[in-house]
Formats: sequence, C-alpha cells, structure tokens
Amino acid sequence: AQTVTQSQPEMSVQEAETVTLSCTYDTSESDYYLFWYKQPPSRQMILVIRQEAYKQQNATENRFSVNFQKAAKSFSLKISDSQLGDAAMYFCAYRQTYNNNDMRFGAGTRLTVKP
Amino acid sequence: ETGVTQTPRHLVMGMTNKKSLKCEQHLGHNAMYWYKQSAKKPLELMFVYSLEERVENNSVPSRFSPECPNSSHLFLHLHTLQPEDSALYLCASSQDGEGADTQYFGPGTRLTVL
Repeated sequence: AQTVTQSQPEMSVQEAETVTLSCTYDTSESDYYLFWYKQPPSRQMILVIRQEAYKQQNATENRFSVNFQKAAKSFSLKISDSQLGDAAMYFCAYRQTYNNNDMRFGAGTRLTVKP
Repeated sequence: ETGVTQTPRHLVMGMTNKKSLKCEQHLGHNAMYWYKQSAKKPLELMFVYSLEERVENNSVPSRFSPECPNSSHLFLHLHTLQPEDSALYLCASSQDGEGADTQYFGPGTRLTVL
C-alpha cells in the first residue's frame, strides 16, 4: 500500500522568508504523480503544484517549487518570499499513474506566516 | 470558486435523522469523489464514480450511501450516523484519462452528528 507521510504537523515562517515543507511516501511503483494541495482556513482546497515521477526536473509555480528526490521517495515543497496569504494547511498527495481513482494524502502541515 | 459546489455548507443532525449532501461540478469532468476529512488525519477516500459508475468503495459503512445520477452531480445520503462521523466531507472531480488527472475540490460540508 502507498502511504504519504508529512512529519511536520505545524510550521511557521516570517513574512518574506522561505520555508520548506517535508513529504515522504512509500511506493513500489515507478510511475506516479505527486501533488501539493493548499487548504486555507474555511476555504476550498486548491492545487499548488504537481510533479510527474518520470520527470527529473523539479516542478515550479511562481514562488512555489518542489525538491523531488525519487530514490529517497521525498517530495518537499519550498515556498519563497512567504506571504500572509500562504497561511493554510498543506497536504501532500500521491497517485499511481494507472490508477486515477486512488489518491493518497498525508495528514497535512499547518503553516503560519508571521508578519 | 464556482468549479465544484457543495450544499449545505454546514449540517447538524441527530443519529436517527436522514439527510443528504449534494455536490455539483461545473468543469465538464467525468469522475467525482467523496472524501472524509477528520482533524489531524489524512483525507479518507470514501467513494469514486467514473462515468457515473461507482468504481471504488473503500469499505465505508452502509450508513453512507452515494448516488451519482449524472456526471455533474453527486450525492451522499446519510442515515443513522454516529458521533464519530462528524467531519468535513469533501467532494472532488477530475477528468479521467488526462495525464496527472488533477482533482478539484469543493468547499466541503461540515457535518456534526449529535
């Protein structure tokens, strides 16, 4: 079974600084997708960034980037120039390439941004 | 945020009540999902519908009954729930067969069972 582990229940960062959220996963598959979702307080969960396992290049979306280490089964999220609006729960998720009906989520990391 | 909508946003019910949660997606997707989100736990996938047919049921108790009348609508019928069923219930949709198949989530229904 595939599991996703987020070892940091809570993190905080100073506004304008950089923070890295950790995620590890367990799988025997070679083809899969990884995602980071953001859930602001009382608001909808939205996709932040996604990574295809077959791509060696780390995905980047503006201030958000990932450090994908396939051999280590690690998928961390780096948020640069943190903004107050980045405060949210962040969920790491995994899905097999050929089983799009089984998305696995981590327990989440609550990010606080200090002004 | 009109892609995936859920109603009601909040629901309080007794253990003997029967209620239904509704989800509607306006994205033209062909797959829909129900998740349960409890505090400090990973999201739990409950049901998956692809092309209006149920393809996954992760051993969810029978007191939860899904219904997918068409590709845009998904219901979760609730009856004789337990207090431990109190949680945020999230609906999501995606387009099967399109690469990473990103799931788009609704705002959720906060359910409290008394």
